[in-house]
Amino acid sequence: AQSVAQPEDQVNVAEGNPLTVKCTYSVSGNPYLFWYVQYPNRGLQFLLKYITGDNLVKGSYGFEAEFNKSQTSFHLKKPSALVSDSALYFCAVRPRSNDYKLSFGAGTTVTVRA
Amino acid sequence: DAGVIQSPRHEVTEMGQEVTLRCKPISGHNSLFWYRQTMMRGLELLIYFNNNVPIDDSGMPEDRFSAKMPNASFSTLKIQPSEPRDSAVYFCASNPTGLPYEQYFGPGTRLTVT
Repeated sequence: AQSVAQPEDQVNVAEGNPLTVKCTYSVSGNPYLFWYVQYPNRGLQFLLKYITGDNLVKGSYGFEAEFNKSQTSFHLKKPSALVSDSALYFCAVRPRSNDYKLSFGAGTTVTVRA
Repeated sequence: DAGVIQSPRHEVTEMGQEVTLRCKPISGHNSLFWYRQTMMRGLELLIYFNNNVPIDDSGMPEDRFSAKMPNASFSTLKIQPSEPRDSAVYFCASNPTGLPYEQYFGPGTRLTVT
C-alpha cells in the first residue's frame, strides 16, 4: 500500500523567513513526487514534480523541493516566504508501476505573517 | 487555454434530490479524474477515465454515485438520491496520458445537501 505523510497540520512563519513543508512517503520503488498548492475556494495548482535526475527540483513561485531517497522524503522549501504564500499545500505520490493514481497527503496549512 | 471547467461552482440541494456535476477537461487531455474533498477524509479519488472509458471506479462511495464521459470534452458526476453526508467539494482534473504529467484541477463544485 502506498501512503503519503505530511506530519505538520500547520506551519507558521514570518514573512522573509525560510519556509519548509515536510512530506514523507511509503511507496515501493522510486515513485513520481508532486507538490500542489490550494488557495481558498480554488482548485489545486501544480507547483513542481520529481521524475528523475537532480534531487533538487525547482518549481513555480520560487518553491523548490529536495528528493531524499534514503529518507523517503520530498520536503518543499522556499528561501524567503511571502504573505501571499499562505495556503494549503499537498504532497502527492504516484508509483512508477501505476500510470494514473495519485495519492495525496492530508495537507499542510501554511500561514505567513507580515 | 481555459483550463478545466466545472459547473456549477456551488450547489445547494435538499436530501433526496438528484445532483449533477459537470466537467470539461482541457482539450487534448485524455485522462479525467473526479475527486471529493472533505475535512474529515481529505482528497479522495472517486473515478478515473481514460479515453472516455471508466478505468477505476473503486473510489465511488456507493451506488447512489455514477459518472459518465460521453465524449472527450465532457463528463458528469451524478448523485441520486443525495444525502447530507455527500456535502463536500468535488473536483475534476485532467492530464495527458503517458508520462507522469501533473494533473490539472478545475475550480471545484461546492455541494451542500440539507
